[in-house]
Amino acid sequence: EPEVTQTPSHQVTQMGQEVILRCVPISNHLYFYWYRQILGQKVEFLVSFYNNEISEKSEIFDDQFSVERPDGSNFTLKIRSTKLEDSAMYFCASNGWGGHEQFFGPGTRLTVL
Amino acid sequence: AQSVTQLGSHVSVSEGALVLLRCNYSSSVPPYLFWYVQYPNQGLQLLLKYTSAATLVKGINGFEAEFKKSETSFHLTKPSAHMSDAAEYFCAVSAGSGNTGKLIFGQGTTLQVKP
Repeated sequence: EPEVTQTPSHQVTQMGQEVILRCVPISNHLYFYWYRQILGQKVEFLVSFYNNEISEKSEIFDDQFSVERPDGSNFTLKIRSTKLEDSAMYFCASNGWGGHEQFFGPGTRLTVL
Repeated sequence: AQSVTQLGSHVSVSEGALVLLRCNYSSSVPPYLFWYVQYPNQGLQLLLKYTSAATLVKGINGFEAEFKKSETSFHLTKPSAHMSDAAEYFCAVSAGSGNTGKLIFGQGTTLQVKP
């Protein structure tokens, strides 16, 4: 069964460093998303992406964040200068044309020290 | 704007007992509604979805949910709890027009199943 994959599963970084979180959505999907979940809190929407551009972004998704689909399979989230408060689980999701449910990856746990 | 409220951050039931997890939503347009389950240290798995078809929706692992427009509710039920049902459950509403809609999640409900 097709699934969304994410790498790495756990990323530890120093405050101020850049990180790139990687996702491989399901191959025939067209819509891509990033969410984050701070420990003990609810899952929050960050950004949606379609047709090689951002469809919508939340207030959390400021200038420190960017997304890219560098090739036909990967979808990345970059945080330019990490802050302590960026520590969270980051989930990638995708869905296809006509499909309403989003399929989630297993997440990347980002720890900023 | 859409929002989701899950009543009860923790629910504890005995094995074999009825599971009822409550979810109320707010939406200015006909909503798409979802229940996701998250097992410890894992991602989100779709349990079931409502997309304006049948109001009683059946999902995986014996779960079902009923969409009640008059009550703006989408409560999740399972007749008989199993130990393996212990997890975090999230109700979510789709804010957009189907494909491109971000999901807005509730706070989550931790289900504990006692032997």
